[in-house]
Amino acid sequence: GAVVSQHPSWVICKSGTSVKIECRSLDFQATTMFWYRQFPKQSLMLMATSNEGSKATYEQGVEKDKFLINHASLTLSTLTVTSAHPEDSSFYICSAWPGLAGGRSYEQYFGPGTRLTVT
Amino acid sequence: GDSVTQMEGPVTLSEEAFLTINCTYTATGYPSLFWYVQYPGEGLQLLLKATKADDKGSNKGFEATYRKETTSFHLEKGSVQVSDSAVYFCALSDPLSGNTPLVFGKGTRLSVIA
Repeated sequence: GAVVSQHPSWVICKSGTSVKIECRSLDFQATTMFWYRQFPKQSLMLMATSNEGSKATYEQGVEKDKFLINHASLTLSTLTVTSAHPEDSSFYICSAWPGLAGGRSYEQYFGPGTRLTVT
Repeated sequence: GDSVTQMEGPVTLSEEAFLTINCTYTATGYPSLFWYVQYPGEGLQLLLKATKADDKGSNKGFEATYRKETTSFHLEKGSVQVSDSAVYFCALSDPLSGNTPLVFGKGTRLSVIA
């Protein structure tokens, strides 16, 4: 089956530093990748939609200058949390969509998530 | 817009009990429907899916049937185990526009006690 990896799986950083999280589709090309944020005991909150070679589309209320998303290739998207603060501590999950086939879409495939703790 | 409503948890069951987690949806057209499971500290795993009316998705003893007439996709398992303790998310997607994100329900936390 399709596999999506995230790196790192967990990271601790100091307030004011930047952290980059990678999302890779290992055995397929992802036309679109999504970034979600999940607070403890809550559902996933969509942060942005990322299409290869174009600027990400951010959801309302998500600061694009703080959460930089780069979808440089069909197998890699990165999320950089700039000048991180403790309130940015969360579980970040990406998903990847391989594209339409036969007029219908494949499902989306999720990465295992990255737990960010900002001290 | 499209939305998913699932029963609020937490749900606590004894081992071997019957499980039902209700999920209803609102969507234009004919969405694909999914159940995802999230074990503690992990990402989401696809549990099962159904892409058209009356389809039954099944996996690991879990089942859900796509009911167009009641716009529902309830998750069931006949005999739960402690290892089934997790958060379960119902979700939908537009099968003709996969580059739109999944719409998730709020999740239902299941705890199974021995």
